[in-house]
This record gives sequence, structure tokens and C-alpha cells, in this order.
Amino acid sequence: SQQGEEDPQALSIQEGENATMNCSYKTSINNLQWYRQNSGRGLVHLILIRSNEREKHSGRLRVTLDTSKKSSSLLITASRAADTASYFCAVWMDSSYKLIFGSGTRLLVRP
Amino acid sequence: DTEVTQTPKHLVMGMTNKKSLKCEQHMGHRAMYWYKQKAKKPPELMFVYSYEKLSINESVPSRFSPECPNSSLLNLHLHALQPEDSALYLCASSPEGQLSYEQYFGPGTRLTVT
Repeated sequence: SQQGEEDPQALSIQEGENATMNCSYKTSINNLQWYRQNSGRGLVHLILIRSNEREKHSGRLRVTLDTSKKSSSLLITASRAADTASYFCAVWMDSSYKLIFGSGTRLLVRP
Repeated sequence: DTEVTQTPKHLVMGMTNKKSLKCEQHMGHRAMYWYKQKAKKPPELMFVYSYEKLSINESVPSRFSPECPNSSLLNLHLHALQPEDSALYLCASSPEGQLSYEQYFGPGTRLTVT
């Protein structure tokens, strides 16, 4: 069963603006990860945040995790046209040794 | 070498054909994965090999048959597929078997079943 639900499903912004995507999940997790997928291609790992962490940064990416609300957000600052892609959250559960992907957010950055 | 390669990039096959997808990594990773992804959907796990042994089979139909000849290579043998099996098939690997968390994905094979 799908663990992660993301919103919005689609997001269209102007270059230079910030983009925020949210992810909710259902059970206890070891960590939560974010991946990017350009159209019809493989996924690229962006960032991993562990269950005992609240915030993590990587370049223009900022990820937060609230385990009490079972939710995470991905913020991309100063977006660029090249950021246009689908973004997936994925939760790792020690109980199943699997990575379960959320439904994804399709981001369009208009030049 | 820090990438996962997949061949072929595109495959069109009839329902009576037998074909194979190939995945290779030379990063010394000990776990390899097959995912299936339909358009505008997230990847769905099919199989996991950890230290060259099949550790997870997500109740995948027997017309899909995985094989891990060695720690660098993963195959997916296809036989008597259905049109609904048309999808992007993604291979991934991770460093330390199933206890690893981050996965490295290949570019995928776009499969069309006619």
C-alpha cells in the first residue's frame, strides 16, 4: 500500500520563486527521502532526513520532518527552469526493508 | 563508475515474445532492485536482491522472472506479457544490501507490449 501522499499533485511557478511540496505518511519510519525524476527518466536521490532530525539543507533544498504529524516538506528556493521535474518523497520502513514512494508532485518552472 | 546502466532503452514486444532487460552497476553495491512505473505514478517495487539472493518478491506475476548472475548484474526475463505490463522499468542499487537507505537508479527501459 502506498505510504506517502504528496500535495500538490502539480505546481507551476515562475523562475526565481520558491517551490514547496508536502508529503504525508502513515506509519513509523526510519528515514524519509526525496527524489527527482525528469520526464520518463530515472530517479535521482536529493536528500535523506532521519526520523530523529527535524530539518536538513542541501544547496537550494530545505527539507523538514515532523514525525508527530507524520509529514515532511521540500522547499526549493530560487527555482530555475532546470528544476522542472517530478518530485517524490519515499519512506524507509525498517519493518519491511523497503522504500515506499509517495504519489509525487509535478513541478513546472516557467522561464 | 558511479552509475547504473540499463539496456535496452526502449523495447517493443508482442505478447508471445520472450525478452530480457539488463541492469549493471560497478559501484560495488550489494543490493539491486526492479521497479515498475506507470505514467504519472510512483515507482512500485517488484523484486529485491540482497547479496545476490532474492529477498523480496512483491507478488509479481510469474511472467516476470528476475535473475542476479553476479553482484554487478541484474536481469529481468519477460515472457507472455500483457499490454497492461507496458511501463517504464527501473533498476536501482544500494551500497550495503537492504540495510542501505539511499538508492541509485538507472535511466529505465521503456517497455511497450503490443
